[in-house]
Amino acid sequence: NAGVTQTPKFQVLKTGQSMTLQCAQDMNHEYMSWYRQDPGMGLRLIHYSVGAGITDQGEVPNGYNVSRSTTEDFPLRLLSAAPSQTSVYFCASSLGVARRSYEQYFGPGTRLTVT
Amino acid sequence: DQQVKQNSPSLSVQEGRISILNCDYTNSMFDYFLWYKKYPAEGPTFLISISSIKDKNEDGRFTVFLNKSAKHLSLHIVPSQPGDSAVYFCAARMNTGFQKLVFGTGTRLLVSP
Repeated sequence: NAGVTQTPKFQVLKTGQSMTLQCAQDMNHEYMSWYRQDPGMGLRLIHYSVGAGITDQGEVPNGYNVSRSTTEDFPLRLLSAAPSQTSVYFCASSLGVARRSYEQYFGPGTRLTVT
Repeated sequence: DQQVKQNSPSLSVQEGRISILNCDYTNSMFDYFLWYKKYPAEGPTFLISISSIKDKNEDGRFTVFLNKSAKHLSLHIVPSQPGDSAVYFCAARMNTGFQKLVFGTGTRLLVSP
């Protein structure tokens, strides 16, 4: 099992550019989510999905889109990058509601810089 | 509004001694608490958890204590080892459908030989 994988590891964007951060898991987990980590802020939830075809907003969704067409993949799209989106992004997955969904498995992160 | 607070950004202890990491929360609706450990350039990994109906949970060298009246939990690591040096995040689960986790800001633990 590869667990949760994220690509790319590093990315530099110019203001206004768009891009997609990729996330995939091979554990057949129902739940997937995206967090961002900023200094002094902990991890904040951006978007999440409770299953294929179902997504919802988290704490800081503005400027980001997600979709979940398969159980395995949960890409995060930045529509028009802004310097405020400079952060480290983590994708996570977990078992469904009946089975310890609180133990989330995290990917290694994508460090994004927007200039 | 920080619902989960880790007021100590860093902690240094010597190998073999006890490490105590603290976490305070404000929301009485949290029903589960977790600790995650994070090494540089890696994602957080789950360490230990505790239900709000318990006051202690132990797993090897790691023990988590919960004081509901004080809305406070702590992670004890005994004995501390250099490999424990990492950032530790406290997280709380809100049992509302998706069961979102709310994370604290983290405490960097350094265990010196």
